[in-house]
Amino acid sequence: DSGVTQTPKHLITATGQRVTLRCSPRSGDLSVYWYQQSLDQGLQFLIQYYNGEERAKGNILERFSAQQFPDLHSELNLSSLELGDSALYFCASSFGTGESNQPQHFGDGTRLSIL
Amino acid sequence: AQKITQTQPGMFVQEKEAVTLDCTYDTSDQSYGLFWYKQPSSGEMIFLIYQGSYDEQNATEGRYSLNFQKARKSANLVISASQLGDSAMYFCAMRAYNQGGKLIFGQGTELSVKP
Repeated sequence: DSGVTQTPKHLITATGQRVTLRCSPRSGDLSVYWYQQSLDQGLQFLIQYYNGEERAKGNILERFSAQQFPDLHSELNLSSLELGDSALYFCASSFGTGESNQPQHFGDGTRLSIL
Repeated sequence: AQKITQTQPGMFVQEKEAVTLDCTYDTSDQSYGLFWYKQPSSGEMIFLIYQGSYDEQNATEGRYSLNFQKARKSANLVISASQLGDSAMYFCAMRAYNQGGKLIFGQGTELSVKP
């Protein structure tokens, strides 16, 4: 158990809809990261938050947004969903800003299926 | 641009034997970190081992060791005394210290351990 909690584990919805994925980091971790894993793109970094502030941004679509709340949990919002958004979405956390040797610990992921 | 290449899509190894999973990377940064993660069929991502670009000694964690050859830009994972539970996808990843905590992943190697 990595200590990172993601909910829900599975999500099935239709094109055009909006969903929210939730992540609770390990106790004491200040950074939260979001990754997308799909068969064609592999594991792609989406975005990082550190102590409530956006720290780094990857190939995140404009239809996607994220935030980190004062209690350090994070939410990833996906809107106007398309079939290609079907993927496994991981949240990871680390204590610092990520610019060190500390590893990122991953949650079990949310599997999103768009019908 | 930074890139991780894992050239072995799939590998087989006999139980109790050692196996090497290849990883090469491309970066112009002088300071970076290299990570290996394991993804069993259940889907979670498990951190295995870390190597910093300035570390002079190869990292070891139990049965895992990292064969780091900086001049060749390679960071191969060596698993000694393979066990059936080692069957999984293995991902090599790199983090550049000037890009927050963003991890860049390779395409992965699927390892199958035969009894």
